[in-house]
Amino acid sequence: AQKVTQAQTEISVVEKEDVTLDCVYETRDTTYYLFWYKQPPSGELVFLIRRNSFDEQNEISGRYSWNFQKSTSSFNFTITASQVVDSAVYFCALSEAGGNKLTFGGGTRVLVKP
Amino acid sequence: DSGVTQTPKHLITATGQRVTLRCSPRSGDLSVYWYQQSLDQGLQFLIQYYNGEERAKGNILERFSAQQFPDLHSELNLSSLELGDSALYFCASSPQGFGDEQYFGPGTRLTVT
Repeated sequence: AQKVTQAQTEISVVEKEDVTLDCVYETRDTTYYLFWYKQPPSGELVFLIRRNSFDEQNEISGRYSWNFQKSTSSFNFTITASQVVDSAVYFCALSEAGGNKLTFGGGTRVLVKP
Repeated sequence: DSGVTQTPKHLITATGQRVTLRCSPRSGDLSVYWYQQSLDQGLQFLIQYYNGEERAKGNILERFSAQQFPDLHSELNLSSLELGDSALYFCASSPQGFGDEQYFGPGTRLTVT
């Protein structure tokens, strides 16, 4: 059965510090997709990135970057030079072949202090 | 704005009652998903519809049911409500299915008293 683990429940940083969120997943499939979503205090879930299991290239988008390592079943997310607006709960999620249901990790709450 | 709309935003009802949550997907999306977010269970997948047909089922209680209509909007019906059903219910949509990113609506916060 698929499983996503986000071991860090809460991270607190001061503005401009970098923060890395860990995500470890379990799946028996060779074809799968990984996602990150952001849930700001307003409550909506915002899509950040999708990565398929065959593409291990790291990705950078502005201050956000993602490190996918199949060998360790990890898909970590780094926010560089954090800002107060980055304060939110971040979820890692997995979908396996045969469907598109998302299995979410427990989320990591990031608090960026000014 | 994701383009997915959900109504109502908030719902307060009593135990034993029945409620209907409504979702309109993004224009052109054929798949609709329902998720429940609660403090003790986290974010859980309930059910997926694709072009009017049920495609996948998660940990959805028998008291809950859903459907997707010909215009692709979806409704989630919750009956015989219990205190433990209090949660944030999200609808999401995607163009097709596997591998698509899902775009989430703002959610309906259900409080059962």
